[in-house]
Amino acid sequence: GQNIDQPTEMTATEGAIVQINCTYQTSGFNGLFWYQQHAGEAPTFLSYNVLDGLEEKGRFSSFLSRSKGYSYLLLKELQMKDSASYLCAVRDSQAGTALIFGKGTTLSVSS
Amino acid sequence: GAVVSQHPSWVICKSGTSVKIECRSLDFQATTMFWYRQFPKQSLMLMATSNEGSKATYEQGVEKDKFLINHASLTLSTLTVTSAHPEDSSFYICSARESIAGTYEQYFGPGTRLTVT
Repeated sequence: GQNIDQPTEMTATEGAIVQINCTYQTSGFNGLFWYQQHAGEAPTFLSYNVLDGLEEKGRFSSFLSRSKGYSYLLLKELQMKDSASYLCAVRDSQAGTALIFGKGTTLSVSS
Repeated sequence: GAVVSQHPSWVICKSGTSVKIECRSLDFQATTMFWYRQFPKQSLMLMATSNEGSKATYEQGVEKDKFLINHASLTLSTLTVTSAHPEDSSFYICSARESIAGTYEQYFGPGTRLTVT
């Protein structure tokens, strides 16, 4: 089976840096994804990690440690529009190619 | 980037009727499409994996006779909610992979909000 944990809610202020953690347990592992989802909309792809280390893409970075079953999404220079739900998802190789999602972290950015 | 569309974007139906939701990959071929369901303030739950030309694989707890999936072409998969009930009201989202051994990214459709009255 699979188990993906991430905090339910986080708050931060504009211009700050926030780190959203995700831990996972899967039978197999074939990649970890982060998605952003605004209320009532479909998720949009942010990042993909399959090897250990940090992937940087603009204001967003994602880190993976396969041995620890751990990832984090780092958001820098926060903006109000970053208020959204952030979903950690894992591709469990034994579950085919589907993504298994965590429950999501709702981030609220205030001025 | 690759685009996935869904139709309709929202639908209201009466209890006991059936509703069909279409998922299309507009500029790429998708041998595999996935159907997810999302209840308010919850995450996406995988319902089934749809492979072109073969039967869908349903997740545990998802009734295959109630949620009919057809993937007749490389660009179209449909989900039919049969004999809908109010508890089927949810946000249904499809996603598609561009190729089996290539990009690992899944492209999501915009979702369909179903309300059963």
